[in-house]
Amino acid sequence: AQSVTQLDSQVPVFEEAPVELRCNYSSSVSVYLFWYVQYPNQGLQLLLKYLSGSTLVESINGFEAEFNKSQTSFHLRKPSVHISDTAEYFCAVRGKSARQLTFGSGTQLTVLP
Amino acid sequence: KAGVTQTPRYLIKTRGQQVTLSCSPISGHRSVSWYQQTPGQGLQFLFEYFSETQRNKGNFPGRFSGRQFSNSRSEMNVSTLELGDSALYLCASSLGQDTYEQYFGPGTRLTVT
Repeated sequence: AQSVTQLDSQVPVFEEAPVELRCNYSSSVSVYLFWYVQYPNQGLQLLLKYLSGSTLVESINGFEAEFNKSQTSFHLRKPSVHISDTAEYFCAVRGKSARQLTFGSGTQLTVLP
Repeated sequence: KAGVTQTPRYLIKTRGQQVTLSCSPISGHRSVSWYQQTPGQGLQFLFEYFSETQRNKGNFPGRFSGRQFSNSRSEMNVSTLELGDSALYLCASSLGQDTYEQYFGPGTRLTVT
C-alpha cells in the first residue's frame, strides 16, 4: 500500500516569488509520482509526472518537481508564481503493480498581488 | 479531442434515495476510474473498470456500485443515500489498464439533504 503526505495545507505567497509545495510518500514497492492541479469548481488536471529516467520533470507552465528516492519526496517548485497559479495542488502516487492513484490531502496555493 | 465528460454536474438528493452518475471517457480510452472527493477524507478511489469488467475496488460499502458499457462509458450508482455521501464524484479515463496517466472530468457535485 502507498500513502502520501503533503506537509502544508495552505501556502500563501506573493506574486513573482518562488514557491515549493512539499510531498512525501511511503511505499514498499517502486512507484510512479504525479502532481495534479484543481481550480475552483473543476476537476483535476495533470501537471507533471515522474515515471522513470531523469529525476527532474517539468511542466509547460514553469513548474518542476524532483524525485528523490532516498528522501521519498517529490516536491513541486516554481521560481516565479503568477496570480493564475492560485489553485489546489495534489500529489499522487501509484504503485507499479497497482492501477489506482493514492492522493495527498492537497495544498492550497494562494498567490497574493 | 473532447475531454472526459460527466453528467449531471450538480445533483441534490434526499437521504434514502438512489442516484446514478454518468461518465464518458476520452475517445479511445478504455479504462475508467471513479474517485470521491470530500473536505474531510480528501480524494478516495472507488473503483476502476476496463473492458466492461471491474478490475479494482476501493474500500467503500456495497451501496456504491458501477458498470461500464461496451462503448467505455461508465455509470456509478449509490443506493440508500446518506448525508455523508455528499461529495464531488470524479471520473478519470486512461488509454488502457496499464496506462499511467489518468485524465479527470469536471466532476458531479452530489448534495444529500
